[in-house]
Amino acid sequence: EAQVTQNPRYLITVTGKKLTVTCSQNMNHEYMSWYRQDPGLGLRQIYYSMNVEVTDKGDVPEGYKVSRKEKRNFPLILESPSPNQTSLYFCASSLDRGGEQYFGPGTRLTVT
Amino acid sequence: EDQVTQSPEALRLQEGESSSLNCSYTVSGLRGLFWYRQDPGKGPEFLFTLYSAGEEKEKERLKATLTKKESFLHITAPKPEDSATYLCAVQAPTGKLIFGQGTTLQVKP
Repeated sequence: EAQVTQNPRYLITVTGKKLTVTCSQNMNHEYMSWYRQDPGLGLRQIYYSMNVEVTDKGDVPEGYKVSRKEKRNFPLILESPSPNQTSLYFCASSLDRGGEQYFGPGTRLTVT
Repeated sequence: EDQVTQSPEALRLQEGESSSLNCSYTVSGLRGLFWYRQDPGKGPEFLFTLYSAGEEKEKERLKATLTKKESFLHITAPKPEDSATYLCAVQAPTGKLIFGQGTTLQVKP
């Protein structure tokens, strides 16, 4: 089954404790992206990648890191999480940058 | 600055009452305009992609249209199962994707 998977689905952590949210797709897609969704602010793009080893900043990259060492994986790293990073995070992928995006199920992160 | 604005923020319709959602955008060199549907607690689900002014696409009770400055999502004779948040997004030449805040549609039986 074609899908985008994210882990974990739910995470509660404390300020400053490094964490990684994994994202994997099995569709051989070139384009992958991370978003955060907050009430009243909608979906905002954090980082995107148009291919292996190619990543670019979206609208809200501060406090996040990403890497794209393999085509199928695009982990999101929070080196020192803060409470303002409490949010619902989505990973997505598409065949290329102009294509329809397939979204993962979301990761709800709470930073206390 | 690239921007996407959706209106209205919320829309309540009676079953069978047709209406339209609006997505206005400012972006230099539009690469594509996308419509997604999002149900509570789930990731967005793709509906349509439009690439050039004048283009139209249809799927069941939904029809999306595009002009140089805005897109409309027309909903004909909606049913309660059409209740969801509808998101519009535009893609800039760089590959960046900008989403609007969405329109939450409620269709009452």
